[in-house]
Amino acid sequence: EGQLVESGGGLVQPGGSLRVSCAASEFTFSTYWMAWVRQTPGKGLEWVASVNQGGSTQYYVDSVKGRFTISRDNAKNSLFLQMNSLRVEDTAIYYCARPGTAYEFDSWGQGTLVTVSS
Amino acid sequence: QSALTQPPSASGSPGQSVTISCTGTSSDVGGYNYVSWYQQYPGKAPQLLIYEVNQRPSGVPDRFSGSKSGNTASLTVSGLQAEDEADYFCSSFAGGTNLFFGGGTKLTVL
Repeated sequence: EGQLVESGGGLVQPGGSLRVSCAASEFTFSTYWMAWVRQTPGKGLEWVASVNQGGSTQYYVDSVKGRFTISRDNAKNSLFLQMNSLRVEDTAIYYCARPGTAYEFDSWGQGTLVTVSS
Repeated sequence: QSALTQPPSASGSPGQSVTISCTGTSSDVGGYNYVSWYQQYPGKAPQLLIYEVNQRPSGVPDRFSGSKSGNTASLTVSGLQAEDEADYFCSSFAGGTNLFFGGGTKLTVL
């Protein structure tokens, strides 16, 4: 079914930057779209961004457009989320997730916590 | 404020059935058959239970079933077991690149 392991979360000040990563294994990473989904106690789950198999097409939720960049390295079976101009409201657990064929996510990582606070 | 509305809590006794609702609009739940349900234990990642309204991935017990009527989708857990105590989230495609989640329902097995 696939394994996803996130890393790179931490504490960052408002306005700062952070890059989180996701290492994929046990499936053919290069043949799947990939996505980031975040979760906060107050707002629940929120899709953040998706990238196509080759990395040429990216989609973002409006609240992160222009600040976040999703990318991938198929040679290293890795997914990334570069987060700039971070805001307090970006504080969340960030999950790497594999989309299925019908707008569902059929595999999730364990998540990495990003805390934006001064 | 989540785009899809779920009751914050639900409960049932072992062996009973419980149904959790997920209410949206004609632009999401009512407009597409792309409703999914996820189970999440505390401190763990969500796990896919149902996709395309009523399809179960391999390995998901048939005690879990999904349905939809109009703008409301439902997840039914039959033959409740203690291990079913968890949070449940719905999601729906909403056209374009929009994908919305519900706020989650905490299921308690009494």
